[in-house]
Amino acid sequence: AQSVTQLDSQVPVFEEAPVELRCNYSSSVSVYLFWYVQYPNQGLQLLLKYLSGSTLVKGINGFEAEFNKSQTSFHLRKPSVHISDTAEYFCAVSEGSGNTGKLIFGQGTTLQVKP
Amino acid sequence: KAGVTQTPRYLIKTRGQQVTLSCSPISGHRSVSWYQQTPGQGLQFLFEYFSETQRNKGNFPGRFSGRQFSNSRSEMNVSTLELGDSALYLCASSFTWNTEAFFGQGTRLTVV
Repeated sequence: AQSVTQLDSQVPVFEEAPVELRCNYSSSVSVYLFWYVQYPNQGLQLLLKYLSGSTLVKGINGFEAEFNKSQTSFHLRKPSVHISDTAEYFCAVSEGSGNTGKLIFGQGTTLQVKP
Repeated sequence: KAGVTQTPRYLIKTRGQQVTLSCSPISGHRSVSWYQQTPGQGLQFLFEYFSETQRNKGNFPGRFSGRQFSNSRSEMNVSTLELGDSALYLCASSFTWNTEAFFGQGTRLTVV
C-alpha cells in the first residue's frame, strides 16, 4: 500500500523568502508524484508532476520539486514566495504502473506568507 | 475549454436523507474520479470511473455509490446521510485513468 507524509502541517514564511515543503512517500511499486495547491473554497490545481526522467521537475508559479528515490522524498521548493502563494499544498502519489489514476494524498501543508 | 463542473456548489441536507452530486468532466475526458475532503481525514479517494465502468473503489461504506454515463458525466450518491458525511466532495477528470487529473471546485455538503 502507498502512503504520503507531509512533514509540516503549517509553514510560516516572510514574503520574498525561500520555502521548502517536505513530502515523503512509501510504496512497494514505482510511483508517479504530484504537488497540488488549493486556495480557499476552491478545488485542487496541479503545480507539477514527476512521471519519469529528470528528477528535478519545474512547475507553474515558479515552483519546483526534486524526486529523491533513495530517500523516497519529493520536496517542493520556491526561491522567493509571494503573498499570493498563501494556500494549502498537497503532495500526492499514484501507482507508476499506470493501471489506475487513484491518488493518495498527504495531509496537506498550509503555507502562510507574511508581508 | 471549460473546466470540470460540479453541481451544486453547496448543499445542506438532514441526517437520514440521501443526496446526489453531479460532475461534468472536461470535454473529451473519459475518466472521472471522486474524492472526499474533511479536516480530520484529509483527501480520500472514493471512486474511479472510465467509460462507464468503475475501475477502482475506496474504503467507504456501501452508502456511497456512483456511476458514469455514456457522455462521461458522473454522479455520486450518498444514502442515509450521517453527520460525518459533511465534507467537500471533489471530482477530477482526465483523458484516461493514467493522465493528468483536473479538479472541479467541489460540492460542499453539510449534514445537519
